[in-house]
Amino acid sequence: DQQVKQNSPSLSVQEGRISILNCDYTNSMFDYFLWYKKYPAEGPTFLISISSIKDKNEDGRFTVFLNKSAKHLSLHIVPSQPGDSAVYFCAASGSGTSYGKLTFGQGTILTVHP
Amino acid sequence: GAGVSQSPSNKVTEKGKDVELRCDPISGHTALYWYRQSLGQGLEFLIYFQGNSAPDKSGLPSDRFSAERTGGSVSTLTIQRTQQEDSAVYLCASSFYREETQYFGPGTRLLVL
Repeated sequence: DQQVKQNSPSLSVQEGRISILNCDYTNSMFDYFLWYKKYPAEGPTFLISISSIKDKNEDGRFTVFLNKSAKHLSLHIVPSQPGDSAVYFCAASGSGTSYGKLTFGQGTILTVHP
Repeated sequence: GAGVSQSPSNKVTEKGKDVELRCDPISGHTALYWYRQSLGQGLEFLIYFQGNSAPDKSGLPSDRFSAERTGGSVSTLTIQRTQQEDSAVYLCASSFYREETQYFGPGTRLLVL
């Protein structure tokens, strides 16, 4: 039972264009969502998060959008840079049995071509 | 300041041996988490410590896995009688009390032969 899903295993984008990474979730108890970036042989690095009371959060080139009714969130990176090439994980946490633990998607490999 | 540190960075062991993995959280973080990432898989929650409360062990895959946290800081994850399916990257994370964002260490890559 995969509660957080990233349906695109990979995404290829030209430098300077927008990268859009998508994530869907099924658990209605999730109320906080995060995006992490991971380079090979390193631990995940926190990028940006959003609480369920918001529908958008922006930090520099990174914007996360949350659509609660669709149980969908997305990460927009604009403009994309070659250094953004990495694996991106979305994660969720919430109340009840979801409290205190992150549930991760499978990850999307982003490649930004110069 | 210093981030989450983990040791060893790599561990190769033989099937049936016990291993201990160590995590040093960020100073001041009261919550500590263990996850693992098996080949081609996402990150899977294992166990969560918050202050002096009883740990949430709901993610531990079998009773061969255990973890402790001494003095509210350093944590050790122990895997007894290792199996080949235990091969994975074991990641530790920490956070402030009741803060949702978790900060990860570099991980320990465990290979069971």
